[in-house]
Amino acid sequence: GAVVSQHPSRVICKSGTSVKIECRSLDFQATTMFWYRQFPKQSLMLMATSNEGSKATYEQGVEKDKFLINHASLTLSTLTVTSAHPEDSSFYICSAIAGGSYNEQFFGPGTRLTVL
Amino acid sequence: GDSVTQMEGPVTLSEEAFLTINCTYTATGYPSLFWYVQYPGEGLQLLLKATKADDKGSNKGFEATYRKETTSFHLEKGSVQVSDSAVYFCALRPGTGGFKTIFGAGTRLFVKA
Repeated sequence: GAVVSQHPSRVICKSGTSVKIECRSLDFQATTMFWYRQFPKQSLMLMATSNEGSKATYEQGVEKDKFLINHASLTLSTLTVTSAHPEDSSFYICSAIAGGSYNEQFFGPGTRLTVL
Repeated sequence: GDSVTQMEGPVTLSEEAFLTINCTYTATGYPSLFWYVQYPGEGLQLLLKATKADDKGSNKGFEATYRKETTSFHLEKGSVQVSDSAVYFCALRPGTGGFKTIFGAGTRLFVKA
């Protein structure tokens, strides 16, 4: 199946700094990418839908100025956590829809963010 | 709103035991239902799916049947292997279209040799 990568896999940062997480579709073009957040022992929560070349659509309760999403190409979407705080510590997972495919998402391996 | 509830883990089984992971859902209309698996250090992979009532999804010895009357999509496997150890997520995609997938909390499975 199609491969989605994320970088970095783990990041530790100080409170107040910004962190960028990359999501890449390695062998297909992704017109739509999604960003999820997962707390320990909880569900994956959809944060936003990212469409190439347009502004991301954020879910209710997600601060768009705190979680900046850029989908500049058909193979790359980035999530930047700005002015990170300890409560932003979580597991962030991206997924991508291949153009022309029906009803299947391909997921990245996730990025664990720890804010000290 | 739409939601998915699955049994809490971890589930610990011996090799060749029978596996059931319960999953129930709440949704309006006719959602599509999925099971995803996440092996250690890897991303989620689609295990099986069903798009309408009474459909049975199957893959790698795993099965799940879309039961609209009980709003359930329980995952079963007749004989688990150590290599099945992973986290299993039940999920639904609303019947209104799009790709907004709603996930259950995940159930961790440990299979002992």
